[in-house]
Amino acid sequence: KQEVTQIPAALSVPEGENLVLNCSFTDSAIYNLQWFRQDPGKGLTSLLLIQSSQREQTSGRLNASLDKSSGRSTLYIAASQPGDSATYLCGGRVDSNYQLIWGAGTKLIIKP
Amino acid sequence: NAGVTQTPKFQVLKTGQSMTLQCAQDMNHNSMYWYRQDPGMGLRLIYYSASEGTTDKGEVPNGYNVSRLNKREFSLRLESAAPSQTSVYFCASTQVGNTEAFFGQGTRLTVV
Repeated sequence: KQEVTQIPAALSVPEGENLVLNCSFTDSAIYNLQWFRQDPGKGLTSLLLIQSSQREQTSGRLNASLDKSSGRSTLYIAASQPGDSATYLCGGRVDSNYQLIWGAGTKLIIKP
Repeated sequence: NAGVTQTPKFQVLKTGQSMTLQCAQDMNHNSMYWYRQDPGMGLRLIYYSASEGTTDKGEVPNGYNVSRLNKREFSLRLESAAPSQTSVYFCASTQVGNTEAFFGQGTRLTVV
């Protein structure tokens, strides 16, 4: 059974730092992996999508990588800002039946 | 373009009452999903519909039923609500293949 784990569960850093959020999955047979941001009491906003054939995707200050062989994805945030404070979730399509499975998220706090 | 729309946004039920959560997407997506989100447990898949006319159980289907009414709409029914079903419910959709998932804004359900 595929499981997605995100470590750490919470992270607090000063503004301006570069940081990495981690996502690991138990089965390398993953079709795609997506990173979302969730603000308190709100829905989920898609940040980046990586197909299984890709190694990384970039959008502005965000860079997501995928290493299927090690079962890991990382989200790199450059020059963090207080507006980046949110919970970040990773997950994706894990089988041929189109199930989408997600981690519990990393709660990120950027201190001004 | 509304994306994924869920109704209602908030609901309070008494134990034993029934209700249906509605979800509609206007992106012509084939696959639709229902999740519940509880503190510390992330998004858990309740049911999904890979395509119109099909539905399958996810990780936590007990106490729920679903109907894929047409390609646009996927409803979740609680026949006899229990306090353990207090949660935030999210609907999501994707196109066939390894494409981006989109989420609704969520329904906050409290069962007293």
